[in-house]
Amino acid sequence: SQKIEQNSEALNIQEGKTATLTCNYTNYSPAYLQWYRQDPGRGPVFLLLIRENEKEKRKERLKVTFDTTLKQSLFHITASQPADSATYLCALLINQAGTALIFGKGTTLSVSS
Amino acid sequence: GAVVSQHPSWVICKSGTSVKIECRSLDFQATTMFWYRQFPKQSLMLMATSNEGSKATYEQGVEKDKFLINHASLTLSTLTVTSAHPEDSSFYICSARLAGANNEQFFGPGTRLTVL
Repeated sequence: SQKIEQNSEALNIQEGKTATLTCNYTNYSPAYLQWYRQDPGRGPVFLLLIRENEKEKRKERLKVTFDTTLKQSLFHITASQPADSATYLCALLINQAGTALIFGKGTTLSVSS
Repeated sequence: GAVVSQHPSWVICKSGTSVKIECRSLDFQATTMFWYRQFPKQSLMLMATSNEGSKATYEQGVEKDKFLINHASLTLSTLTVTSAHPEDSSFYICSARLAGANNEQFFGPGTRLTVL
């Protein structure tokens, strides 16, 4: 069956450290993989998109890698801050025709000062 | 950036009543909007894809007669939960797709529905 798994429900780190979140999928061939941030009681906010032919994408303190052989994406937040505390969701876009996103359950990151 | 709004942000209703949720793209036209449902500590689950001017496409297991979707204009889609029951209590989120190279989706802030 098709699955998207994010490595852990919760991740706790100290301020200033790098947070690394993992997204694994099986039985999909995604055109894109996206990462979203979701705060409690709010809708997801788009962070980064990486295409199947891209290995890495960066945006400020964020970095995403995509390994289609391993069927895995890693999401890094460097120099983490308490304001980065939120739930981070990975999502797959299966085809470019506009099929909706398939989401993982998310990893809740807590950054302590 | 593109903004999507939802109304209401929360609603409490009695069992058996119907509730309408609106999703609007405020500064762009969206030919396609999506409706998701999210239970606590769960992922967003796609309910249906709404295309302007045509019938919505529902995901397996979602009752189209219970969750009525209307996408009458390029900036508005509505979801009506008919004869709501307590098990319909959830967080309902819409998104609108911005046509382009990335087909980026923008999400609304969500609507918390509580059915008593």
